[in-house]
This record gives sequence, structure tokens and C-alpha cells, in this order.
Amino acid sequence: DGGITQSPKYLFRKEGQNVTLSCEQNLNHDAMYWYRQDPGQGLRLIYYSQIVNDFQKGDIAEGYSVSREKKESFPLTVTSAQKNPTAFYLCASSLRKDYEQYFGPGTRLTVT
Amino acid sequence: RKEVEQDPGPFNVPEGATVAFNCTYSNSASQSFFWYRQDCRKEPKLLMSVYSSGNEDGRFTAQLNRASQYISLLIRDSKLSDSATYLCVVNLAGGFKTIFGAGTRLFVKA
Repeated sequence: DGGITQSPKYLFRKEGQNVTLSCEQNLNHDAMYWYRQDPGQGLRLIYYSQIVNDFQKGDIAEGYSVSREKKESFPLTVTSAQKNPTAFYLCASSLRKDYEQYFGPGTRLTVT
Repeated sequence: RKEVEQDPGPFNVPEGATVAFNCTYSNSASQSFFWYRQDCRKEPKLLMSVYSSGNEDGRFTAQLNRASQYISLLIRDSKLSDSATYLCVVNLAGGFKTIFGAGTRLFVKA
């Protein structure tokens, strides 16, 4: 089955620790995205990538980093510099930029 | 003014009712439009794209009014399973920008 997978579903970390969230897609999509959603709020773009080995900052990139070494994979690292990391993190992909996006099931990160 | 605005609701309707959501966008360079639904604590799922001439998918009808810069979603014969948050999504032309509305919450009751 084609789709987007994210792991883990739930993640708990202590303050000061970096953590990496996984996102994999087998849809052969060029573009991939990371969003953050806080309770009762809309999605905010963290980073996006239109092609392998290229990525751009979104609206709230501070405290996050990404890589795009393979077309299928777009991992997100939440660093200790991110002041409020507890949130629901969603990865998405689209065939090209500006096409409809398809989302993975998300990772709920809790940092205490 | 927000780039994409939706009435947050909640809309509480009985089964079988018709309900309509509107979404306004501020950038006239907006190029493509979508409606997504998001269930509680789940990922958003594409419901339908919105085309200039309007389009229908079963009980769902989407309309675009470029002159007034709004899109709408009409749900006919509401089902309990339609209860969700509906997100309006706008892509801007040229450059890369996808904007998600904050969503409209719908509760369909028996």
C-alpha cells in the first residue's frame, strides 16, 4: 500500500534532549513538508523540501532541523533550542509543490 | 487580517441536515484550493479539491468565488460520521506557500 508513515506515534523526552521524528513516503512524491499543530489551532509549516538535497524554512523553523538525503525520507529533529516543543507533528507529501498534500498519521511529542 | 479565515463554529446540526461552511482568503494570487477534514487527534485527510466551476462529490459540493475571494463547502444529508473539523486550504501562485485555515468544527447529532 502506498502512503506516508511516521514513527513513533507517541514520543516522550526530557527537556534539553534532541529528538528525531521519522517520516517516510512511498508515493514517489517530490515535495515533503513538516507541520506543527497545537491544541485548537491550525497547522503551521516548519520546513519543506521540493526535491532531494534541498529544503527551505517555513514559518516556524527556529529550533528545528531537517535533512532530505533520499526522496522517500524527510526526518525532523527537534532540538533543545525549541522553546515549546510539545505538540502534534505532521508530515505530508505532494507530487509537486502546489499539488494537494497527503498526511502521515502524526507524532505526538511531549517534552517535560 | 488572517490570510485564510474560517468560522471556528462549532456547528451543531441534526442528522439529515444541510450545512454550509465558508472560508475567505486575502491573497488574490491564490491559485488552488482544497477542503480537508480532520478527526479528533488524527491527521487531516483530503476531502476534495475546489475547482473554478464548482464541483460535487456525493453529498459534498465545493464552490469557489474568486471575485469575492471565498470558497464554500456544502454538506447535504449530514451523517453522524461527518462530525469532524473541516479545514480550508489555499495555495498561492508563484513561490511556495500553502495556508491552512484553523478549521470549522462540525457536530452531527442523532
